[in-house]
Amino acid sequence: DGGITQSPKYLFRKEGQNVTLSCEQNLNHDAMYWYRQDPGQGLRLIYYSQIVNDFQKGDIAEGYSVSREKKESFPLTVTSAQKNPTAFYLCASSIVLVNSPLHFGNGTRLTVT
Amino acid sequence: KQEVTQIPAALSVPEGENLVLNCSFTDSAIYNLQWFRQDPGKGLTSLLLIQSSQREQTSGRLNASLDKSSGRSTLYIAASQPGDSATYLCAVQNRDDKIIFGKGTRLHILP
Repeated sequence: DGGITQSPKYLFRKEGQNVTLSCEQNLNHDAMYWYRQDPGQGLRLIYYSQIVNDFQKGDIAEGYSVSREKKESFPLTVTSAQKNPTAFYLCASSIVLVNSPLHFGNGTRLTVT
Repeated sequence: KQEVTQIPAALSVPEGENLVLNCSFTDSAIYNLQWFRQDPGKGLTSLLLIQSSQREQTSGRLNASLDKSSGRSTLYIAASQPGDSATYLCAVQNRDDKIIFGKGTRLHILP
């Protein structure tokens, strides 16, 4: 089945540690995205990538980093510089960047204590 | 800066009724508007995408309309069922390519 896989589903880290969230897609989509969802808030865009080896900052990129070395993979690193990292992280992809429906993974819930 | 608003935040309706969910946005210079549903603890599922040149899209019991000039979209759900209970989110894609989401409407269909 084609889709987006996010792993792990739950992740726990101590404050001050960097952590990397995995996102893999086998849909052959060019564009990939990372969103963060907090209770009572909409999804907020962290980073997006239109094509391999290229990515752009979203509205809340501070404290996060990404890479896009392969078309199917778009890992997100939450660094110790991110002040409030505890959240539900959602990865998405689309065929192309514009006018293409987003397909989402099932998310990773990160808890930092 | 684009702002997307969904009112009400929550809605309960008896099974079988038709219902309308609302979405408004402040900047009409968009490529498209999408509607999604999200079940608790899950990712989002795309329901409908309306390009800026279109007025509406239909899929089964769902119909979404777009009035770009007034910055409004509606999602119409016909003959609601308990399985329709979920949070519904709308999102617009700006001309800078970013996709901005509303906070969603939590829909509860009463059996």
